Amino acid sequence: AQSVTQPDIHITVSEGASLELRCNYSYGATPYLFWYVQSPGQGLQLLLKYFSGDTLVQGIKGFEAEFKRSQSSFNLRKPSVHWSDAAEYFCAVGATGNYGGSQGNLIFGKGTKLSVKP
Amino acid sequence: ETGVTQTPRHLVMGMTNKKSLKCEQHLGHNAMYWYKQSAKKPLELMFVYNFKEQTENNSVPSRFSPECPNSSHLFLHLHTLQPEDSALYLCASSQVTGGVGELFFGEGSRLTVL
Repeated sequence: AQSVTQPDIHITVSEGASLELRCNYSYGATPYLFWYVQSPGQGLQLLLKYFSGDTLVQGIKGFEAEFKRSQSSFNLRKPSVHWSDAAEYFCAVGATGNYGGSQGNLIFGKGTKLSVKP
Repeated sequence: ETGVTQTPRHLVMGMTNKKSLKCEQHLGHNAMYWYKQSAKKPLELMFVYNFKEQTENNSVPSRFSPECPNSSHLFLHLHTLQPEDSALYLCASSQVTGGVGELFFGEGSRLTVL
């Protein structure tokens, strides 16, 4: 069965420092991978996605992520964090074709909460 | 109009009440979803509708009843809920064409069951 692991529950970084949020997935074929961000009291917003092609993908708000098949990882990075980046970040994987009789649904990790120190 | 709109944003109900959550998407997508987000748990997929047909019911208790009258609207009817059903309920939509499409989420309906 597919699964997503985000090993860090909570990370604190200083404003201006670099950031890397870890994500590992379990899926036999080439996965569709996503990173979403959720601010308090809000829904989830897509930061970036990987479907195929270049393994380094660029997203919104200066984020990027790198797909590494050998490590089953899709880590999210940002070179310089801003206070407004404080939020919860979710990694997700989707199946190609049908999964459990449905299409399109994503499996989410438990999320990593990011705090930013001034 | 935002892409996916959920109402109400906040709902408090007793265990014997009947209420409904509403979701509307303005993106022309062909699939809609209900997810449940509880504290310290990953997002749990509840229901999936593709082209108005329910294609997934992820072992959700019958006290949650979805309805999808057309491809733009999705409801979640609630009755005789339990306090552990208190959570943020997120609606999402996507355009699925033979694979996986990215999900567009609403802002959620925060449900509290007393």
